[in-house]
Amino acid sequence: SQQGEEDPQALSIQEGENATMNCSYKTSINNLQWYRQNSGRGLVHLILIRSNEREKHSGRLRVTLDTSKKSSSLLITASRAADTASYFCAPATYGGATNKLIFGTGTLLAVQP
Amino acid sequence: DGGITQSPKYLFRKEGQNVTLSCEQNLNHDAMYWYRQDPGQGLRLIYYSQIVNDFQKGDIAEGYSVSREKKESFPLTVTSAQKNPTAFYLCASMGMGNQPQHFGDGTRLSIL
Repeated sequence: SQQGEEDPQALSIQEGENATMNCSYKTSINNLQWYRQNSGRGLVHLILIRSNEREKHSGRLRVTLDTSKKSSSLLITASRAADTASYFCAPATYGGATNKLIFGTGTLLAVQP
Repeated sequence: DGGITQSPKYLFRKEGQNVTLSCEQNLNHDAMYWYRQDPGQGLRLIYYSQIVNDFQKGDIAEGYSVSREKKESFPLTVTSAQKNPTAFYLCASMGMGNQPQHFGDGTRLSIL
């Protein structure tokens, strides 16, 4: 298992703008997952991208994965105030006895109405 | 509806006291996890279990204990040996293969 490192730590944008968050990791992965956490709540899974995929879409979310650079990005288009939350990436390496995710410190996104 | 239930939502601990946080899932998941989150921080893994009657320490297991007697349940005990227990505790479960984790809504533990 390994930790993803999100960048930036905090991001403030206006409603309607796009938000981009980045994630870097260190070793090979099976997949990479993005999660959202609203204040005081548990994490909610947003999207999973497998190591053989380069881009994935889900509604207003677009995730890219570059395994050669060991990096991923999450783009939220046409942001809304309800998108205000912390966003975490979790690189996943499965196999053997260690099926676990290590979460980074996240990106805190504030969308101003 | 399938999901993970954590209880209680808020918990207060007195000095020298052990407290147990409950985590129940009806997703038929084999793996379950406990995380600790401090303000403005990410999640740190306390314990995890991939099968009934078996569990492994995570990165910050000292002062905590768990049991996994049933597939559905993975309670976490915060013992008096944990000197700084004030935090937000999250439980998660995961199915087989390359699946995402499902999280409960957390328990916030404070010291009286």
